[in-house]
Amino acid sequence: AQSVTQLDSQVPVFEEAPVELRCNYSSSVSVYLFWYVQYPNQGLQLLLKYLSGSTLVKGINGFEAEFNKSQTSFHLRKPSVHISDTAEYFCAVRPNTGGFKTIFGAGTRLFVKA
Amino acid sequence: DVKVTQSSRYLVKRTGEKVFLECVQDMDHENMFWYRQDPGLGLRLIYFSYDVKMKEKGDIPEGYSVSREKKERFSLILESASTNQTSMYLCASSPATGTGYGYTFGSGTRLTVV
Repeated sequence: AQSVTQLDSQVPVFEEAPVELRCNYSSSVSVYLFWYVQYPNQGLQLLLKYLSGSTLVKGINGFEAEFNKSQTSFHLRKPSVHISDTAEYFCAVRPNTGGFKTIFGAGTRLFVKA
Repeated sequence: DVKVTQSSRYLVKRTGEKVFLECVQDMDHENMFWYRQDPGLGLRLIYFSYDVKMKEKGDIPEGYSVSREKKERFSLILESASTNQTSMYLCASSPATGTGYGYTFGSGTRLTVV
């Protein structure tokens, strides 16, 4: 079984500051890793994913994430946030062994202040 | 672009009513999913389907059923709505298993049971 822990439920940050949203996971098998973003009153949208290869993956809107296998983490970062990045962010995992159920974390609400 | 369409954005139903939530995707995806989203709990899988007329229980199937008569349509049914089913319901789809694709989500249906 897999589980996902997002370490911060809310992250307030000022505009143009850097941000890191933390995600740890637990799994007995190898997994694919995802970050999704949900803007107010919308569904989730895929931000980026790690399948294999380079541990640093880049996504849309200037976000990137780093896979750390030894620490079972997949933290999301952006060097300079905008007001428009205010949203909820979900970390998710799925086994890469053929299953297709995705397990989501509880979400981190990013609030960017002017 | 893949589109997942949920028929209602907001729905108010009475306790005991039978409720149908409809979801249609237009990209010939094999897999379809129903999640409910509650604050602090993230997304929890209710049911999923990997083919027409096939369905599998997710983590919280009690009080729900599903129907998939056509590949593009996946319906969630609340047999007898209760107030603890007040939630945001999200439908998602993805191509076949093991490919590392993320999900494409609909915009969600916010259901209130009174």
